[in-house]
Amino acid sequence: EAGVTQFPSHSVIEKGQTVTLRCDPISGHDNLYWYRRVMGKEIKFLLHFVKESKQDESGMPNNRFLAERTGGTYSTLKVQPAELEDSGVYFCASSVLEAGGPSYEQYFGPGTRLTVT
Amino acid sequence: AQSVTQLDSHVSVSEGTPVLLRCNYSSSYSPSLFWYVQHPNKGLQLLLKYTSAATLVKGINGFEAEFKKSETSFHLTKPSTHMSDAAEYFCVVSEWNNNDMRFGAGTRLTVKP
Repeated sequence: EAGVTQFPSHSVIEKGQTVTLRCDPISGHDNLYWYRRVMGKEIKFLLHFVKESKQDESGMPNNRFLAERTGGTYSTLKVQPAELEDSGVYFCASSVLEAGGPSYEQYFGPGTRLTVT
Repeated sequence: AQSVTQLDSHVSVSEGTPVLLRCNYSSSYSPSLFWYVQHPNKGLQLLLKYTSAATLVKGINGFEAEFKKSETSFHLTKPSTHMSDAAEYFCVVSEWNNNDMRFGAGTRLTVKP
């Protein structure tokens, strides 16, 4: 079974440019999450999709970030325009969807390292 | 809201000796607790999880953790470390029936030959 994949693995862009990160979750996983780790800080939650709907986007830092999950399969995270403080590693994770019960394991991708110069 | 504190940013041990990675949590509800490991250039891999069953949880690669509600702790241990255990370890908390996870800052484990 293929794991969570992310593309690209590394992106270097200039301040003001646009970058789009992609995440392909494990097939059949309706939950999809985006996280970010800024250098020297902890991994922080950005948002959570259930299928194609945004369940929680309370962690999105500002309106320069736009996440989509059309069709409830892969997701994209666009940063436009990018700023220096957006540099970091962006992780995607997916999990099965179960009503009620304890939290289920989230499977993480390898991350996309974004460098804004 | 739930939160996690990892008490050591860096731990160094000799191969073959035990290791303890410390984690304290804060949660208003019944927490689920996880330990993840990240090796260089790899995704985060689940080591073990606690979800209100047995308080002593055994995970992969010989790791285990004990949930202590009175101490709000979930420390990770391994009786004998291996060079391949060198990685960064994250303690994570989420509240019951809440998929949003809160990460600790991470502990980098170095294993000396």
